[in-house]
Amino acid sequence: QKEVEQNSGPLSVPEGAIASLNCTYSDRGSQSFFWYRQYSGKSPELIMFIYSNGDKEDGRFTAQLNKASQYVSLLIRDSQPSDSATYLCASKNTNAGKSTFGDGTTLTVKP
Amino acid sequence: NAGVMQNPRHLVRRRGQEARLRCSPMKGHSHVYWYRQLPEEGLKFMVYLQKENIIDESGMPKERFSAEFPKEGPSILRIQQVVRGDSAAYFCASSPQGQGNSFFGQGTRLTVV
Repeated sequence: QKEVEQNSGPLSVPEGAIASLNCTYSDRGSQSFFWYRQYSGKSPELIMFIYSNGDKEDGRFTAQLNKASQYVSLLIRDSQPSDSATYLCASKNTNAGKSTFGDGTTLTVKP
Repeated sequence: NAGVMQNPRHLVRRRGQEARLRCSPMKGHSHVYWYRQLPEEGLKFMVYLQKENIIDESGMPKERFSAEFPKEGPSILRIQQVVRGDSAAYFCASSPQGQGNSFFGQGTRLTVV
């Protein structure tokens, strides 16, 4: 079992719709969680991080964390074609320093 | 404030040669992480360093790979006697402390021919 698992995708949504990206993790010691966006051929770009159970909103993005279920999600409202990218979920154990990444979910937003 | 700087951006090596990848962290960041990304895959952790110390090298292959972060100068990831399977994008990230957000460099794309 991978430490961080994401929907294999690809995920396709129409412009203006809500895109929902999901991630589960196996290490109960994980304390912080990150969503990165990676365009093809580019480096990962941090878009959201969450430490506490519940929702965290930033503009069109909402991250959700449920530690009991070991589940993290990212919602993108009013999806735009520019949101088309691979989204990487990562967890961090406060004692380790390193981030553990999922394999990513590729999102395509169709105009 | 410059971001994380990696060089070279692209590196071509013949099998058996050495590859040296450099990473200068963001100003004020003393923690550096190296990750490798194979095509169509996620990032795999390799090594975590602070100045003059290797904190976690659990993701480093046991042979041919080494990393350092000297007191002065950039962090270096060194791959000796490269093989075709080493072809990948190597990303460096830095953070101001081990538990903070990490910011990534643009990566070095290594091609072994």
